[in-house]
Amino acid sequence: AQSVTQLDSHVSVSEGTPVLLRCNYSSSYSPSLFWYVQHPNKGLQLLLKYTSAATLVKGINGFEAEFKKSETSFHLTKPSAHMSDAAEYFCVVTQGGAQKLVFGQGTRLTINP
Amino acid sequence: ETGVTQSPTHLIKTRGQQVTLRCSSQSGHNTVSWYQQALGQGPQFIFQYYREEENGRGNFPPRFSGLQFPNYSSELNVNALELDDSALYLCASSSWTSGRTGELFFGEGSRLTVL
Repeated sequence: AQSVTQLDSHVSVSEGTPVLLRCNYSSSYSPSLFWYVQHPNKGLQLLLKYTSAATLVKGINGFEAEFKKSETSFHLTKPSAHMSDAAEYFCVVTQGGAQKLVFGQGTRLTINP
Repeated sequence: ETGVTQSPTHLIKTRGQQVTLRCSSQSGHNTVSWYQQALGQGPQFIFQYYREEENGRGNFPPRFSGLQFPNYSSELNVNALELDDSALYLCASSSWTSGRTGELFFGEGSRLTVL
């Protein structure tokens, strides 16, 4: 079975500083990996996806993630945090067949002024 | 806005009761998935419907059931409610092709509290 582990339950950064949200995956074959964001009282939104093309994936709002097979990682980064980035972020892997998404536990990102 | 609407947004039930949650999918989408998100946890897959048929199910008991209608809207029914059913229930719609690449469009959810 495929799974993802988000290594930090809570990350706090100052506005204008870099963001790093860490995710490791476990998969018996080439995975499809995603990051979704959940703002308070809003639906989950797809940030970016990796589906075996380029290993560096760019998403919306300046976020990007790098797929590293040797490290089984898919960390999410952003060069400069903005107050509007405060949200819950989920690393996700697909499990084949019924398009089932397998979510990590989430990382809550707090941005300090 | 994703175009996926869920109702009701909040509801309170007592243990043993039954609940029906509703979802209208985004225009052009024929696939609907339901997820349960307990407080402080990531969403967990309940089941998916495609062309009115269940097309996969997660590790949830049979008292969780669903329907998809010809207009692709969907219902989630939960019978014999238990305290642990308290959660945010998320509906996600997709086309069959976008869903296969993990691109789901989520509604804002229905928050169920079981007392």
